[in-house]
Formats: sequence, structure tokens, C-alpha cells
Amino acid sequence: NAGVTQTPKFRILKIGQSMTLQCAQDMNHNYMYWYRQDPGMGLKLIYYSVGAGITDKGEVPNGYNVSRSTTEDFPLRLELAAPSQTSVYFCASLPLIGTSGRMDEQFFGPGTRLTVL
Amino acid sequence: KNEVEQSPQNLTAQEGEFITINCSYSVGISALHWLQQHPGGGIVSLFMLSSGKKKHGRLIATINIQEKHSSLHITASHPRDSAVYICAAFNNNDMRFGAGTRLTVKP
Repeated sequence: NAGVTQTPKFRILKIGQSMTLQCAQDMNHNYMYWYRQDPGMGLKLIYYSVGAGITDKGEVPNGYNVSRSTTEDFPLRLELAAPSQTSVYFCASLPLIGTSGRMDEQFFGPGTRLTVL
Repeated sequence: KNEVEQSPQNLTAQEGEFITINCSYSVGISALHWLQQHPGGGIVSLFMLSSGKKKHGRLIATINIQEKHSSLHITASHPRDSAVYICAAFNNNDMRFGAGTRLTVKP
């Protein structure tokens, strides 16, 4: 298994540009999350999904959009990039909570470092 | 006040010392999650617990639901344990994080 993969690893955007951060997992996990981590700060939840076709906002959703058309993929879209979106973005997945009694590990992707100038 | 508070912010220890990192939360939770972020930035999951105690190797995590408090202990610390340790409160699919504790273990 590749686990959770994210592309790209690094990106520099100009103010006002748009881009999509890709996230995929091959573990058949239902739960997927997008987080951002600002320099020297803690992680914050942007959006999450509990399964294909179902997404919901987290703590800091403004300026972002997500979709979940398949169990595997959970892309994060930035529209009209702003310097405040300079951050490291992590995608993560969790197995379906409750079905097998497992809820003990969240799998993280390697992160995408985004700079908006 | 943050919903999830960690202490200490920074911790320096000598190799072999017993380490304790604390996490207090003010929100309701279905589970408390401990993560480790390596100096290179990668994040791995250590524990997710909703009651009692879990142990994995030299790491032990405990939680007291009534007091809304969790601790992460590292026995016989080693320089390779140097990392940022993060706790997160998980409830209704939402995840709220502490600011992290930066641990440095010196040889």
C-alpha cells in the first residue's frame, strides 16, 4: 500500500491564482481530512469527508473547496490564492469508525508546502 | 483560551529520563489523539484513546475523561524521540489540535 499520497510537494502561487492540491489513499478508508499548519503554529482542520459524496467544513474552510467523488481521492481547491493561505497542507485518512471496532490510527500524507506571493 | 492546551511548550531532557507531556481539553470528545511530528515535518499517529491507558513500546498514553486530561509518557527517552508531540480532541468528525510540545532529548 502507498498509504496517503499528496501532490505536489511544493508550490509557489501568485496572489489571485487557483490550484488544486491532490490527495489519494489506497486503504479504503472512509474518513478523510485536510489540515493546514502555519509556520510555528498548530494544525487546523479545513474540511473533512466521511465518505464518497459527503463533505463538511472544519474550523477554517474559507477560501477552500473540496469534493469527494470516490473513496480514494479528496482534492482541495484553492480559489483566488491569498498570502494568508501560505502554509503546509496535510491530508489524512481514518478507517470507518465503529464498523470493526478500530479507531486507533490516523494516516497522514507527507504534506504540500504552499507559498503565496 | 484554546480548546486544547498542551504543557510544556518546550521540553529538554537527558537521554534515559522519563518524560511526561500533558494535554487538557475543554470540548467534548469521542477520542483523544496523540501525534508525533518529526523534524522533517512528517506526522505519525501514536495513540487514539477514549478511556484508560494504552502502551506501545516505551510510549504510554493515559486519559481521564472526568478531568478532561490526557498524558503522554516516554520511558527511557532517547535522542531519536526528539520531535514535536501533538494532542488532538476528536468529536463528531471534528478535530481540534493543541499547539504541540517540542521535545529535545540530549545524549
